[in-house]
Amino acid sequence: AQSVTQLGSHVSVSEGALVLLRCNYSSSVPPYLFWYVQYPNQGLQLLLKYTSAATLVKGINGFEAEFKKSETSFHLTKPSAHMSDAAEYFCAVSEGGATNKLIFGTGTLLAVQP
Amino acid sequence: GAGVSQSPSNKVTEKGKDVELRCDPISGHTALYWYRQSLGQGLEFLIYFQGNSAPDKSGLPSDRFSAERTGGSVSTLTIQRTQQEDSAVYLCASNLDSFEAFFGQGTRLTVV
Repeated sequence: AQSVTQLGSHVSVSEGALVLLRCNYSSSVPPYLFWYVQYPNQGLQLLLKYTSAATLVKGINGFEAEFKKSETSFHLTKPSAHMSDAAEYFCAVSEGGATNKLIFGTGTLLAVQP
Repeated sequence: GAGVSQSPSNKVTEKGKDVELRCDPISGHTALYWYRQSLGQGLEFLIYFQGNSAPDKSGLPSDRFSAERTGGSVSTLTIQRTQQEDSAVYLCASNLDSFEAFFGQGTRLTVV
């Protein structure tokens, strides 16, 4: 069965600094991987997804993530944090196919300091 | 509608009462998920419907929780004899394939 581990429930960065949110997955088959963002009092919004094409995936708002099979990782990065990036970020994995089920990590709350 | 719709948006209920939460997925989406989001707990998978297949109920926390999906569209999550620990935001999502899942705004359930 697939699972997701997000290291760091809270991450704080300064405005303009690099954002790095970690995600490791476990899957018995080549996975599909996702990052979602949840702004305060809002629903979840897809940031980006990996579906076995390019291993470096670019998403919205300047975020990107790199699929590394050897490390079973899919870390989310952004070169320069903005105040508006403050939100909770969720990594998710699915095994696709007819029995697709989307499993989420516990989330990382990103704070951006001025 | 254009997105996933959940109702009610907020529900306050007394301990021991039953509640029903509704989800209208995006038209044509074959997969529908229910998740529970509690403070500090992330998104907890509850149940997953995919087309006409038997639902994956492996995430339901107790037999007080049940869900159905009528006609492959609307879904209802029912919690019987609610307890205070059931207080959470219940999120519904739908998708058409293995790719992006679209989420509703959630139902905030408070058990008093």
